[in-house]
Amino acid sequence: QKEVEQNSGPLSVPEGAIASLNCTYSDRGSQSFFWYRQYSGKSPELIMFIYSNGDKEDGRFTAQLNKASQYVSLLIRDSQPSDSATYLCAVNPLSSNTGKLIFGQGTTLQVKP
Amino acid sequence: GAVVSQHPSWVICKSGTSVKIECRSLDFQATTMFWYRQFPKQSLMLMATSNEGSKATYEQGVEKDKFLINHASLTLSTLTVTSAHPEDSSFYICSASGRRRGANEQFFGPGTRLTVL
Repeated sequence: QKEVEQNSGPLSVPEGAIASLNCTYSDRGSQSFFWYRQYSGKSPELIMFIYSNGDKEDGRFTAQLNKASQYVSLLIRDSQPSDSATYLCAVNPLSSNTGKLIFGQGTTLQVKP
Repeated sequence: GAVVSQHPSWVICKSGTSVKIECRSLDFQATTMFWYRQFPKQSLMLMATSNEGSKATYEQGVEKDKFLINHASLTLSTLTVTSAHPEDSSFYICSASGRRRGANEQFFGPGTRLTVL
């Protein structure tokens, strides 16, 4: 089992719809969870992080964390073509005291006009 | 977010030469810097973790004698790919970490695309 798993996609949604991106992790003691966006040929950029169970909203983005189910998701409301990118889920495992992150393979999102 | 720079942004070199990549955190003191490698259509693979003034910690399978990391200050880390070969061609990305708002956020540099002929 991979430490952080994501469906590679592509996930295709129409413009204006809600895109739902999912991620599961294996280290039950993981503390912090991050979502990054990566455009083709570019480096990742941080969208948001979450470390408490529940929802965290930032603009059109909502991160959801369920530690009991070892599941974290990212919702993108009112999806725009410019949101088309690869979304990387990253987890800070309990075993790391350096801020090391374990990345999933990423989900490719396509927002069609 | 914080600003992290990398230099050069791309480099083409002949097989057998060494290439140095610099990573700088421009507006905060990074307690830790990380070096990743990303092959086409694959996710980021952590190569090593470096802390200022101490030896880097390499991930399993990464040759420390081939990928030399120096973390001279809280704002600068360098990765040297020694005796580069075509299979080392990849996108190398650094990130800098500093604890704030309760989580260890990592901010990524723009990456360096290495092509070894």
